[in-house]
Amino acid sequence: QQQVKQSPQSLIVQKGGISIINCAYENTAFDYFPWYQQFPGKGPALLIAIRPDVSEKKEGRFTISFNKSAKQFSLHIMDSQPGDSATYFCAPVYNQGGKLIFGQGTELSVKP
Amino acid sequence: NAGVTQTPKFRILKIGQSMTLQCTQDMNHNYMYWYRQDPGMGLKLIYYSVGAGITDKGEVPNGYNVSRSTTEDFPLRLELAAPSQTSVYFCASSYLEGAGGYTFGSGTRLTVV
Repeated sequence: QQQVKQSPQSLIVQKGGISIINCAYENTAFDYFPWYQQFPGKGPALLIAIRPDVSEKKEGRFTISFNKSAKQFSLHIMDSQPGDSATYFCAPVYNQGGKLIFGQGTELSVKP
Repeated sequence: NAGVTQTPKFRILKIGQSMTLQCTQDMNHNYMYWYRQDPGMGLKLIYYSVGAGITDKGEVPNGYNVSRSTTEDFPLRLELAAPSQTSVYFCASSYLEGAGGYTFGSGTRLTVV
């Protein structure tokens, strides 16, 4: 059973464009909703996260939108840059033990 | 501040051999985790620990064992290595259940031949 479904699998965006990655989850026991960024050969790094009592959070060029009733949350990258080229994972957190459950990942390529 | 340190970075094992992947964190985090990442896939939780002396299974624990004798160390043991355990292994730690961001190590790339 796939608890977290992420889309698209890959994304190509022109420099300056908007990148949008979506995540749908099934388990209502998740209580924290982060996005992680991973560069080749590196471990994932926390990019931005949101609590379920908030519908949107913005940090610089990165925004999370959260829809609790639809069990979905998305990552928006504004003014995408070639340095944003990486793999992005949604990874909602269980409310017990703090376990992350990762989506399948989205490989983003930003073309100059 | 070293964060989460994993050793070795690379290892080739023969089928049936055993090895221990080391993970150490210097941030005094209570929560520690082991994940594996297969090519083109998300990370899968193997084992986790909420404090010294406490461990529990994750999504894919078969073929692995862990121990947590200190806050700093969380080694992962592979017994009787199989080709299906070829993967990249990441250790992570967190200071706060859930709400705290995880700090990941740089990974161990393991090949079983």
